[in-house]
Amino acid sequence: DGGITQSPKYLFRKEGQNVTLSCEQNLNHDAMYWYRQDPGQGLRLIYYSQIVNDFQKGDIAEGYSVSREKKESFPLTVTSAQKNPTAFYLCASSTEWNTEAFFGQGTRLTVV
Amino acid sequence: KQEVTQIPAALSVPEGENLVLNCSFTDSAIYNLQWFRQDPGKGLTSLLLIQSSQREQTSGRLNASLDKSSGRSTLYIAASQPGDSATYLCAAYTGFQKLVFGTGTRLLVSP
Repeated sequence: DGGITQSPKYLFRKEGQNVTLSCEQNLNHDAMYWYRQDPGQGLRLIYYSQIVNDFQKGDIAEGYSVSREKKESFPLTVTSAQKNPTAFYLCASSTEWNTEAFFGQGTRLTVV
Repeated sequence: KQEVTQIPAALSVPEGENLVLNCSFTDSAIYNLQWFRQDPGKGLTSLLLIQSSQREQTSGRLNASLDKSSGRSTLYIAASQPGDSATYLCAAYTGFQKLVFGTGTRLLVSP
């Protein structure tokens, strides 16, 4: 089945730790995105990538980092610099930036 | 800066009703508009994508319209069912290579 796989589904982070969220797609899409969702707020863009080895900051990139070494993969690292990381993180992909976007099932990150 | 608003924030209807969800955006210079469904604790499922040159799109019991000049899109759900209960999100593709999301309408369809 074609789609987007995010792992893990749940992740717990201790204070001061970096954690990495995985996002893999087998849709052969060029563009990939990371969004953050908080209760009562719309999804906010963290980073996006339109092509391998290239990515741009979104609206709330501070405290996050990404890489795009392979077309299929776009991992997100939540660093210790992110002061309020508890949220639901969603990865998406599309053939181009303004075509239909498809989402993974999300990773819920909690700081303990 | 593009802002997307969805009204109402929550809606409760009995099974079988036809209903309309509203989405408004402040900048009419959008490329496309996409409607999604989100079940609790899950990711987003794409429902319909309306190209900027189109006025509406249909999929089964769903019909979405787009009026760029007035900054509005509507999602019409015919003959609602309990399985339609979810949060519905709209998102506008802006000229800055990103989707701008509304905060969603939480729909509850009771049997």
